[in-house]
Amino acid sequence: QVQLQESGPGLVRPSETLSLTCTVSGGSISSYYWSWIRQPPGKGLEWIGYIHYSGSTNYNPSLKSRATISLDTSNNHFSLKLSSVTDADTAVYYCARAELLWSSGYYSYFMDVWGTGTTVTVSS
Amino acid sequence: QSVLTQPPSVSAAPGQKVTISCSGSSSNIGDTYVSWYQQVPGTAPKLLIYENNKRPSGIPDRFSGSKSGTSAALGITGLQTGDEADYYCGTWHSSLSAGVFGGGTKLTVL
Repeated sequence: QVQLQESGPGLVRPSETLSLTCTVSGGSISSYYWSWIRQPPGKGLEWIGYIHYSGSTNYNPSLKSRATISLDTSNNHFSLKLSSVTDADTAVYYCARAELLWSSGYYSYFMDVWGTGTTVTVSS
Repeated sequence: QSVLTQPPSVSAAPGQKVTISCSGSSSNIGDTYVSWYQQVPGTAPKLLIYENNKRPSGIPDRFSGSKSGTSAALGITGLQTGDEADYYCGTWHSSLSAGVFGGGTKLTVL
């Protein structure tokens, strides 16, 4: 049974870089699209981006190139860096395993395994 | 504002059926599959439905999904108090090349 666990600082200063790691246990990080999603307090889910085991990445355009996702296959984890953070980046951050498939003429993208989430507060 | 539109809340009595809608466009729901997630407050989302109407192992058949054109729906029958949660639709936005979610719907089982 694959499990994901986020880790990283719970408090980040404005204008600094948020750094989180997601450790994958019970399975290999090979294959799949390893994704980050966040949820501001009292709000809905926001997709941040993914990295494929091949190294290809894709990000939410609204983050304006502040996000970087990387993969460490030797240690079975992947990471998120979000630069120049502001109060608006305060959220619970989730990592997730995702599938992105092309099937019968349609894209299919869904997240089947999620981490428990970690709260990040941006404050001076 | 979310790319996909969901009603903020729905409610129904135990044992009844409820439907949650998700409306999009030709660039997202119209040419992709839809997934649905359940989020009990204070916990991580859980995949309920993928590829419009498929259930992962362990999800009861009380939960069903459908899609027509640029809209999708999640149906829950035999409502239980344990079904009280927030429900989100999600899909791939082909023109943005990005994942997108609905704003979420809070289900209350009266």
